[in-house]
Amino acid sequence: TQLLEQSPQFLSIQEGENLTVYCNSSSVFSSLQWYRQEPGEGPVLLVTVVTGGEVKKLKRLTFQFGDARKDSSLHITAAQPGDTGLYLCAGEGSYGQNFVFGPGTRLSVLP
Amino acid sequence: NAGVMQNPRHLVRRRGQEARLRCSPMKGHSHVYWYRQLPEEGLKFMVYLQKENIIDESGMPKERFSAEFPKEGPSILRIQQVVRGDSAAYFCASSGATLQFGPGTRLTVT
Repeated sequence: TQLLEQSPQFLSIQEGENLTVYCNSSSVFSSLQWYRQEPGEGPVLLVTVVTGGEVKKLKRLTFQFGDARKDSSLHITAAQPGDTGLYLCAGEGSYGQNFVFGPGTRLSVLP
Repeated sequence: NAGVMQNPRHLVRRRGQEARLRCSPMKGHSHVYWYRQLPEEGLKFMVYLQKENIIDESGMPKERFSAEFPKEGPSILRIQQVVRGDSAAYFCASSGATLQFGPGTRLTVT
């Protein structure tokens, strides 16, 4: 069974600070996605990383996929209150379209 | 290009009643996933379907829960004889290369 762990589970920071959240597994994934979910809404896809070592930037967000395709990180620069939400990573398994989700990191950015 | 649609958005059922949750995938998507989310928790996989075919139901409780995705019409997640522990948000997602989620159905069992 492929499992994803995320850390930290909760994170509360002040506006303007930088932060990094992590997504780890002992399994290899063919791709990994990051989602953000706001209260009362469904998760919204932020990015997909496919290649080991890949780095993608989305404005103030930087996503990295580990060389071995077992882990990923999300770095946010100069966090804003609008970044508040639940950040979920999801891995696509090697055997067809089986998406596994981590438990999420709940981020709160205080003004 | 409409996204994934779910209805109803909110559903209240008394214990013992049936709940039917509907999901229409994005146009052109033929795969549907159902996930359950309890308050303050992540998403738990329930079932993965193609048209007229259940691919993986390993996350679905063995009793009271069933899912279908007919040739025509939306995917349906059915919960029979609901109990308070079934109260949760149920999300549907359809996939091309990645998952696109619907807004969810919030089920409350009283």
